[in-house]
Amino acid sequence: NAGVMQNPRHLVRRRGQEARLRCSPMKGHSHVYWYRQLPEEGLKFMVYLQKENIIDESGMPKERFSAEFPKEGPSILRIQQVVRGDSAAYFCASSPGPGGEYEQYFGPGTRLTVT
Amino acid sequence: GESVGLHLPTLSVQEGDNSIINCAYSNSASDYFIWYKQESGKGPQFIIDIRSNMDKRQGQRVTVLLNKTVKHLSLQIAATQPGDSAVYFCAENTGGFKTIFGAGTRLFVKA
Repeated sequence: NAGVMQNPRHLVRRRGQEARLRCSPMKGHSHVYWYRQLPEEGLKFMVYLQKENIIDESGMPKERFSAEFPKEGPSILRIQQVVRGDSAAYFCASSPGPGGEYEQYFGPGTRLTVT
Repeated sequence: GESVGLHLPTLSVQEGDNSIINCAYSNSASDYFIWYKQESGKGPQFIIDIRSNMDKRQGQRVTVLLNKTVKHLSLQIAATQPGDSAVYFCAENTGGFKTIFGAGTRLFVKA
């Protein structure tokens, strides 16, 4: 019974490159959330997706960031033309329903370092 | 605006003692509160939750208390163990999908 899976666990990119972060929700979960965490800080909501739908992306920067959750396959958080300020831990969570009613299960995170 | 804050950034306790981690929230519309534990290099792990229609909820060695009058949330850990050392986050939800996290309290357990 695998939990939320994220890969890669660590990702190093040079400024200007693209970063792709993957998240596979728990089995049976159709709701995915992405969060960003800077060192010594709490998690900040970025985006909430259901299969093939972005429900809310109010926490996501307007430029360079995008997310998808296709019908088949993992959810992808994509950061184009990365800058040093993008360095952070990115966590994915999943739930069987909307977050207000259901516990969110978190993955181990992807630690992005931009050099 | 919405905010969840913690009174103490770090807490150091002796092994075997009880720990109390506090949290203040400002959104009176929040109706669901969660405590998470995050160990170094890992994702947050659910500990316990409580809905706004309750004042207290107990789990295994943990108790969450909710005081809606002063918008205060606390996590009590009984007989704290070295394995409890971690950062603890409170989080609130207003019934939608967006969970708002506090900044976290780092708990050190001294052997």
